[in-house]
Amino acid sequence: EPEVTQTPSHQVTQMGQEVILRCVPISNHLYFYWYRQILGQKVEFLVSFYNNEISEKSEIFDDQFSVERPDGSNFTLKIRSTKLEDSAMYFCATITGNTEAFFGQGTRLTVV
Amino acid sequence: ELKVEQNPLFLSMQEGKNYTIYCNYSTTSDRLYWYRQDPGKSLESLFVLLSNGAVKQEGRLMASLDTKARLSTLHITAAVHDLSATYFCAVDAPTGGTSYGKLTFGQGTILTVHP
Repeated sequence: EPEVTQTPSHQVTQMGQEVILRCVPISNHLYFYWYRQILGQKVEFLVSFYNNEISEKSEIFDDQFSVERPDGSNFTLKIRSTKLEDSAMYFCATITGNTEAFFGQGTRLTVV
Repeated sequence: ELKVEQNPLFLSMQEGKNYTIYCNYSTTSDRLYWYRQDPGKSLESLFVLLSNGAVKQEGRLMASLDTKARLSTLHITAAVHDLSATYFCAVDAPTGGTSYGKLTFGQGTILTVHP
């Protein structure tokens, strides 16, 4: 069964450092998403990405965040200068057309 | 803005009992997901409901979707301890010409099954 792969599974970083979270989408999927879940809370939409550009973003997705698909396979989420409140589980999801969305296993980010 | 509300938020059940979790949403959608999440773990996809009247069953769990009422239910039959987890519904409702895939999640229902 196809799957979305995220790396790393857990990242610990110091406040102020840059982090890059990586996602390998299912091969024929065209639409990519990042979601965030702060511990004990619901999952929240961050950003959607299609045709090499952002198609929609939430209020959470401020200037500290960026996404790209640098090599046509990986889909990355960069946080430029991490804050304590960025500590969360980050999920990547991908979809093609009218099929269901597939989520990766998530990256747990801990900012200390 | 799409709102998705689950109830109850906390559910304590005895083993062997039946119960239903409700998921109401505020805008038109014909695509709804149910997920299970264990503490500190990822989202496990349980059901994808893709049309009005859709009903799916897996083991002791059954999910249904009524798009006219904007309501989905997750019914638990004869609960067992292994079902203890947090259950989320998520509504997929494209906006502004975007594709499916932008999910709005409910708050989650924390289910605890007691012996």
